[in-house]
Amino acid sequence: GAVVSQHPSWVICKSGTSVKIECRSLDFQATTMFWYRQFPKQSLMLMATSNEGSKATYEQGVEKDKFLINHASLTLSTLTVTSAHPEDSSFYICSARGDRGVSPLHFGNGTRLTVT
Amino acid sequence: GENVEQHPSTLSVQEGDSAVIKCTYSDSASNYFPWYKQELGKGPQLIIDIRSNVGEKKDQRIAVTLNKTAKHFSLHITETQPEDSAVYFCAASISNNDMRFGAGTRLTVKP
Repeated sequence: GAVVSQHPSWVICKSGTSVKIECRSLDFQATTMFWYRQFPKQSLMLMATSNEGSKATYEQGVEKDKFLINHASLTLSTLTVTSAHPEDSSFYICSARGDRGVSPLHFGNGTRLTVT
Repeated sequence: GENVEQHPSTLSVQEGDSAVIKCTYSDSASNYFPWYKQELGKGPQLIIDIRSNVGEKKDQRIAVTLNKTAKHFSLHITETQPEDSAVYFCAASISNNDMRFGAGTRLTVKP
């Protein structure tokens, strides 16, 4: 089955530093990947849609300069949280779907970010 | 845009009983409805999905029903087991684009 690998699974960083999270589709090509943020006991909040070879599309209220997205290949998208602050601490999840037909959305296992 | 509502927010059942989670959606153009199971500290995993040209789909102990007229769909889990305990999310989308998720249901199966 389709596998989406997300790395790291958890990270602790100091305020003001930047953190990069990787999302890879391991056995399929994904022109489009999605990044979500999830607060404790809440649903997934779509942050942005990552498009291979073009700029990401951000949801309203999400700062594109703070959450940098790069989708340089058909199997890799990265989310960089720049100048992280404690309020950026959260669970970040990526997802991807295959490019053929109407494919299901597959999720990575998430990254727990803690900013101290 | 699409709005998905999910009920109940928490559900506790005894092992062996059935569990039903219900969702409604607002956009009649939505045609793809997946269900995801999320265990603690992990990403959501697709457990079953249904498209609008089908009214019901079953996979072992899991079934999903769709009522397009009423714009609601439900997840049914029979013979529940403790390992079914997790948070379940429904979602709706138009041809797998712009997927919107329900708020989630925390299912607890008591042994």
